[in-house]
Order: sequence, then C-alpha cells, then structure tokens
Amino acid sequence: EAQVTQNPRYLITVTGKKLTVTCSQNMNHEYMSWYRQDPGLGLRQIYYSMNVEVTDKGDVPEGYKVSRKEKRNFPLILESPSPNQTSLYFCASSLLGQNSYEQYFGPGTRLTVT
Amino acid sequence: GQNIDQPTEMTATEGAIVQINCTYQTSGFNGLFWYQQHAGEAPTFLSYNVLDGLEEKGRFSSFLSRSKGYSYLLLKELQMKDSASYLCAPCSNDYKLSFGAGTTVTVRA
Repeated sequence: EAQVTQNPRYLITVTGKKLTVTCSQNMNHEYMSWYRQDPGLGLRQIYYSMNVEVTDKGDVPEGYKVSRKEKRNFPLILESPSPNQTSLYFCASSLLGQNSYEQYFGPGTRLTVT
Repeated sequence: GQNIDQPTEMTATEGAIVQINCTYQTSGFNGLFWYQQHAGEAPTFLSYNVLDGLEEKGRFSSFLSRSKGYSYLLLKELQMKDSASYLCAPCSNDYKLSFGAGTTVTVRA
C-alpha cells in the first residue's frame, strides 16, 4: 500500500531534549516536506527536499534540522526543543513533474514540549 | 511567505453549492493546490491548477486566474461528509508551498 509513515504519532518531551521524528514513503517520490499546523495559523512549511542531499528552508525553519540521505526517508530533528514547538507535524511526499503534484500526507505527529 | 486570503467559515445546506474564494500574492508562482482536511486528520489532495480556467472533478471544481492572483473551489451537491476545512496553497517555481489558514465548511441537514 502506497503510504507516508511518521513515528512517533504522539510525543511528550521536555525543553532541551533532542528528538527526531521520522518520515518514510514507499512511493519513490522525489519531493518530501515537513509542515507544522497550529490553530489559527494553518499549515506552515518547515523544510522541503527535492531529492537526495537537496534540502531547502520553508517559511518556519528556525529550530529545526532535516536530512535526506536516502530517497525514502526525511527525518525532522529538533536539537533543543522549546515549548513554542508544541504543534501537530505533518510529513508529505510527491513526485515532481508537470502532472504529478499530488502530495500524500502522513498521519501526523502531535508533539508537546513542556 | 505569501499573502493568502480565504474566508474563515462558510455554512450551507445539504445539496447546495458552495464557492470558496482564495486570493494570493506569490512571486515565482507555479500553481495552486486545494486540500481537504477533516478534523484530526491529515490533509487530502483535491486539485492542482497550473493553467487559467476551470478544472472539474466530479462534485468538486477548481478555478484559477493567474493574472488576478485568484482561485476558487466549488463544491456542488453538498453532502454531510463535505464538512471539513478547505486549504488553499499556492506553490512557487522552486516548489515552496504556503497554505492559507483554511476555510471551515459546515454542511447542515
């Protein structure tokens, strides 16, 4: 089954404790992206990647890191989480091409930083 | 970021038609996505418009005017399951995506 998976789905952590949220897709998609969603603010893009070893900042990259060492994986790293990073995070992937822009979203990761 | 404006809420009755407007200001514009998101779930893709004009997909249609920075999503023959948030998202030429805050559509019996 074609899908985007994220782990963990729920996480409660403390300020300053490094964490990684994994994202994996099995559709051989070039494009992968991370978003956070907060009430009243909608979805905001954190980072995106157009292929292996190619990453770019979205609208809200501060406090986050990503890597794209393999095509299928795009982990989101919070080196020193802070309470303002409490949010719902979505990973998404898609093909790149004239008629292949449909993005598939993962189920989301709800992160709470205390 | 990009200035994206869409109404916060809309209410309609079952069987009716709803038009959700979206205006945007984007440099290096490539196309515009519409997504549907039910509460507590991930967004699901509805459409991606690159060229001007109307694209129809069953009960849902999407329109784009590149020169006016304007798009709309048309929902016909509304059903209760269409109650959701609808997200407008312009995409730049370097594949950077920005989402509007979303329009919550409530369908009443």
